[in-house]
Parts: sequence; C-alpha cells; structure tokens
Amino acid sequence: EAQVTQNPRYLITVTGKKLTVTCSQNMNHEYMSWYRQDPGLGLRQIYYSMNVEVTDKGDVPEGYKVSRKEKRNFPLILESPSPNQTSLYFCASRFFGQTDSNQPQHFGDGTRLSIL
Amino acid sequence: EDKVVQSPLSLVVHEGDTVTLNCSYEVTNFRSLLWYKQEKKAPTFLFMLTSSGIEKKSGRLSSILDKKELFSILNITATQTGDSAVYLCAVAPDYGQNFVFGPGTRLSVLP
Repeated sequence: EAQVTQNPRYLITVTGKKLTVTCSQNMNHEYMSWYRQDPGLGLRQIYYSMNVEVTDKGDVPEGYKVSRKEKRNFPLILESPSPNQTSLYFCASRFFGQTDSNQPQHFGDGTRLSIL
Repeated sequence: EDKVVQSPLSLVVHEGDTVTLNCSYEVTNFRSLLWYKQEKKAPTFLFMLTSSGIEKKSGRLSSILDKKELFSILNITATQTGDSAVYLCAVAPDYGQNFVFGPGTRLSVLP
C-alpha cells in the first residue's frame, strides 16, 4: 500500500531534549516536505527536499533541521525543542521532475508534539 | 509575500444544503491549485486545477479555477454529515518552490 509513515504519532517531552520525528515513503517520490499545523494558521512549510541531499527552507524553518540521505526518508530534527514548537506536524511527498512536477502531495497521518 | 486566503473560515449547515467555499491567492509563480479535505488525520487530496474555467467533479463535489481573478471555489451539493471537515486550499508553485496553504475552512454539517 502506498503510504507516508510518520513516527511517533504522539510525543510529550521537555524543553531542550533533542528529538527526531521520522518520515518514510514507499512511493519512490523525489519531493518530500514537512509542515506544522496550528489553529488559525493552517499548514506552514518548515523544510522541503527535491531529492537526495537537496533540502531547502520553507516558511518557518527556525529551530528545525532535516536531512535527506536516502530517497525514502526525511527526518525532522528538533535539536533543542521549545514550547512554541508544540504543534501538529505533517510529512508529505510527491513525484517531482520536469514532467512530474504537477502532482498532488500525499500526507502522513501527523505527529502531535507537546513541548513542556 | 505569497499568500492564500480562504473564506469563510468556519461554516455550519444542515444536511442537504449546498455550500461554496472560496480560495483566493497571491503568489509570485503559479502552477496549480489544489483542494484537500482534512478530517481527523492527514489531508486527503480532492482536486488539482491548472486551467481556468474547466470544472472538476467528483460526486457531489466540484471545483473551478479563475486564473485571471486569482481564485477558486469548491462546491458541495446535498451535504452529508460525512462532509464535515476542514477544507484546505493550496497553491503549487513553479519548479523548485514550496507549496503555500490557506488557513482552511471548517465545515460542520448538522443532521
């Protein structure tokens, strides 16, 4: 089954304790991205990647890191989480290339992070 | 600054009603506009629109794009309680740029 898998689904942690949210897709998609969703603000892009070893900042990258060492994985890293990073996070992927760039994104089920 | 605006932000209707959700955008580069439905979990894809005036339909849902006036509408006829969700509009940029999402319209359909 084609899917985008995020882990964990829920996490409660404390300020300053490094955490990683994993994202994996099995559709051989080039493009992957991370969003956070907050009430009244909609989905805001954190980082995106157009292919292996190619990453770029979205609208709200501060406090986050990503890596794209393999095509299927795109982990989101919070080196020193703070309470303002409490949010619902979504990973998404899609095909991307000169002929495939007009494709919808497939979303994971979300990760709810609470930073105390 | 690129932005996508949706209206209304919240809407409550009764089963059987017809609703129209609005999405307007201001972006530097435009390739397509997408509609998603989000219930409790991940947004699920509804429509992608790239050309003006061509209506896309799926059952009771339909959508159309006006690239001159920079907006799109999503229509839902004969609404059902299962249509209750947040409807997200997003603009897909040209090559190498990030997607821009609107804040969403929360639709509640009462029995």
